[in-house]
Amino acid sequence: AQKITQTQPGMFVQEKEAVTLDCTYDTSDQSYGLFWYKQPSSGEMIFLIYQGSYDEQNATEGRYSLNFQKARKSANLVISASQLGDSAMYFCAMREGRDTGFQKLVFGTGTRLLVSP
Amino acid sequence: KAGVTQTPRYLIKTRGQQVTLSCSPISGHRSVSWYQQTPGQGLQFLFEYFSETQRNKGNFPGRFSGRQFSNSRSEMNVSTLELGDSALYLCASSLQGGEAFFGQGTRLTVV
Repeated sequence: AQKITQTQPGMFVQEKEAVTLDCTYDTSDQSYGLFWYKQPSSGEMIFLIYQGSYDEQNATEGRYSLNFQKARKSANLVISASQLGDSAMYFCAMREGRDTGFQKLVFGTGTRLLVSP
Repeated sequence: KAGVTQTPRYLIKTRGQQVTLSCSPISGHRSVSWYQQTPGQGLQFLFEYFSETQRNKGNFPGRFSGRQFSNSRSEMNVSTLELGDSALYLCASSLQGGEAFFGQGTRLTVV
């Protein structure tokens, strides 16, 4: 069965610093997709970044990058130049079968990030 | 382009009642999936609909059901509500195989 592990319940970072949020995963599938979502206190899940298991390059989206280490089964999110608005819960998620079209995500327990001035 | 819209945003129901939540996906998205989020269990997959057919279901009792209409809008229904059903219910839409985009959720409180 698929499993996502986020070992950091909370992280603190100062504004303008970079922060890495950890995510490890477990799956027997060769084809899968990895996602990071941000959830502010309003509740909405905001899509940040996606990495496919066959993608050779690490994904990047603006200030977000995904450090994908397939052999170690890790998919850490790096936020560069943190901003106060980055304070939120961050969830790592996995979808089995990158190209199946099925949309069942398995989520980790999340990491609460607090950015201080 | 409008995002995923969930209604209502907040709901208070009494044990034993039933509730229907609605989700309007992003235009053109035919896949709609539902998730339950609670402090104790985290985010759990409920079910997914594609072109009016349920093609995946999570490990929830039969009290939880859903459907999808021809315009891709989806509803989920919970019958005989229990206190433990209090949660944030999130709906996500996507293109076939694409990223899932979530709505703001419906916060259900069962008293």
